[in-house]
Amino acid sequence: EPEVTQTPSHQVTQMGQEVILRCVPISNHLYFYWYRQILGQKVEFLVSFYNNEISEKSEIFDDQFSVERPDGSNFTLKIRSTKLEDSAMYFCACLRTGGSTDTQYFGPGTRLTVL
Amino acid sequence: QKEVEQDPGPLSVPEGAIVSLNCTYSNSAFQYFMWYRQYSRKGPELLMYTYSSGNKEDGRFTAQVDKSSKYISLFIRDSQPSDSATYLCAPRQGAQKLVFGQGTRLTINP
Repeated sequence: EPEVTQTPSHQVTQMGQEVILRCVPISNHLYFYWYRQILGQKVEFLVSFYNNEISEKSEIFDDQFSVERPDGSNFTLKIRSTKLEDSAMYFCACLRTGGSTDTQYFGPGTRLTVL
Repeated sequence: QKEVEQDPGPLSVPEGAIVSLNCTYSNSAFQYFMWYRQYSRKGPELLMYTYSSGNKEDGRFTAQVDKSSKYISLFIRDSQPSDSATYLCAPRQGAQKLVFGQGTRLTINP
């Protein structure tokens, strides 16, 4: 069964450093998302991406964040200058068409620890 | 008012019990209603979903949506220790973002 993969599984970085989180979505899916989950809190939406552009972003997704689909298979989330409060699990998700029988599939997540 | 509200629990029941998990929501534009299961430090795993109001059954699991009262339910029959996890309700509108509830932590005791 096709699945979403994410790398790395755990990233430790110093405050102020740039990080890039990588995702390989399911191959025929058209919509891509990043969510995050701070430990003990709910899963929160960050950004959605369709047709090579951002379709929606949350208040969390400020100028320090960016997304890219550089080569038609990878989907990346970049945090330019990490803050302590960016420490969280980051989940990539994808959706094939958005129709009534369609659902978002999540990757296993990248745990980001900012020191 | 939060878009999606879910009692975080924890909820602890004996094996074999019927479990009822619930959410309320405020956005009447939601059309798709998902239930995800999440194990500790793992990604959400889709359990089942419904489109619009009504019931959907899959084995021991039944999902129910009442759009008139904006109420979402998941029932687990004959609960097993392997059902122990956090259950997340997550409605959405079209292809837009999922809006997650807090999640209910469920423990099934053997």
